[in-house]
Amino acid sequence: SQTIHQWPATLVQPVGSPLSLECTVEGTSNPNLYWYRQAAGRGLQLLFYSVGIGQISSEVPQNLSASRPQDRQFILSSKKLLLSDSGFYLCAWSLHYEQYFGPGTRLTVT
Amino acid sequence: GNSVTQMEGPVTLSEEAFLTINCTYTATGYPSLFWYVQYPGEGLQLLLKATKADDKGSNKGFEATYRKETTSFHLEKGSVQVSDSAVYFCALRPLGAGGTSYGKLTFGQGTILTVHP
Repeated sequence: SQTIHQWPATLVQPVGSPLSLECTVEGTSNPNLYWYRQAAGRGLQLLFYSVGIGQISSEVPQNLSASRPQDRQFILSSKKLLLSDSGFYLCAWSLHYEQYFGPGTRLTVT
Repeated sequence: GNSVTQMEGPVTLSEEAFLTINCTYTATGYPSLFWYVQYPGEGLQLLLKATKADDKGSNKGFEATYRKETTSFHLEKGSVQVSDSAVYFCALRPLGAGGTSYGKLTFGQGTILTVHP
């Protein structure tokens, strides 16, 4: 069966510091991968998606970036965090119709 | 473009009450439709799905029927429990989204459900 991992689970970072969030998927090959941000426990905003190694598409211009160095690894990064980057970050994967989500990372920028 | 509209909420019910959360959509053709549930502090879990008109998705006592004529996919449960308290998201995947849409989902804003004992 497939599983998706995200780490860290929680993170508190000062404004201006760098960020690296990691997502890995087990038990499948060549999935589509997605990064979402959720603010205030409600709506989901799609940030990036990837259909293969090194292939990244950005949905929203911002100071975040994403990379996919391996088939089942998806990384979300920033060089300098802003207060507005605080939120709950969710990674997801899909092969066909539905998407499956990871447990999320709670990021607080202080 | 594609869009999903959910009832605003929050929805507050007593245990064993009947639940309906409305969801309507706008999309070209016949999208696939989903309900996801998010418990506090967790990621989203797929609750049920329907991939064609008149399909009924069901899971854990929840049901939703894909109504093409009303472009709706309302979530129902006959008797809610305290453990059903969560945020519920309706979502669609456009027809033929394996190509340039890359399987991207369009989500509603979510509906908070609170069930009291």
